[in-house]
Amino acid sequence: GIQVEQSPPDLILQEGANSTLRCNFSDSVNNLQWFHQNPWGQLINLFYIPSGTKQNGRLSATTVATERYSLLYISSSQTTDSGVYFCAVGNQAGTALIFGKGTTLSVSS
Amino acid sequence: DTEVTQTPKHLVMGMTNKKSLKCEQHMGHRAMYWYKQKAKKPPELMFVYSYEKLSINESVPSRFSPECPNSSLLNLHLHALQPEDSALYLCASSLRLRGEQYFGPGTRLTVT
Repeated sequence: GIQVEQSPPDLILQEGANSTLRCNFSDSVNNLQWFHQNPWGQLINLFYIPSGTKQNGRLSATTVATERYSLLYISSSQTTDSGVYFCAVGNQAGTALIFGKGTTLSVSS
Repeated sequence: DTEVTQTPKHLVMGMTNKKSLKCEQHMGHRAMYWYKQKAKKPPELMFVYSYEKLSINESVPSRFSPECPNSSLLNLHLHALQPEDSALYLCASSLRLRGEQYFGPGTRLTVT
């Protein structure tokens, strides 16, 4: 099955710093999503981005499908950005999301 | 509105109890999913329903029994669970299979 690897596993930032999270996947995909899981467990949709570039406020994402990776950029980080960021890709049948292990982000003031 | 609701938020049950988790969406989505997430791990798929029919059962033990009574509602019936089944249970929906998935807030289950 598809393998999804995220890096780095942990990231500690001061408020205001920028960061880049990476997601590598082992096969072609027709679905790629980025989520932020808050401390209460809620998975918040950040981007649906099987290819191309999208921006939403301080966040942006780029997926290069031909090279099998996606990047999530967080600019001017805030303490509320803390949590776990998951990359998830659709399996071959498209019936399920396969999640990476996540990047745990801690932003301090 | 991209909201998926789940009840209850928290559930504590003994190993001999029977309980049910409920998930609801009113976005007209025709695919619904149950995921299980253990502490400090990513979510893992349990079941997929497409047009109210069970599409995928990821070798889940029979003590978990899903039900999709209509296109808006998804239940997960629990019976004779084990302490290792304690986890966050997440429901998701998408317009169709292969579409963008939206997750509910989850039910945090503790089996004693």
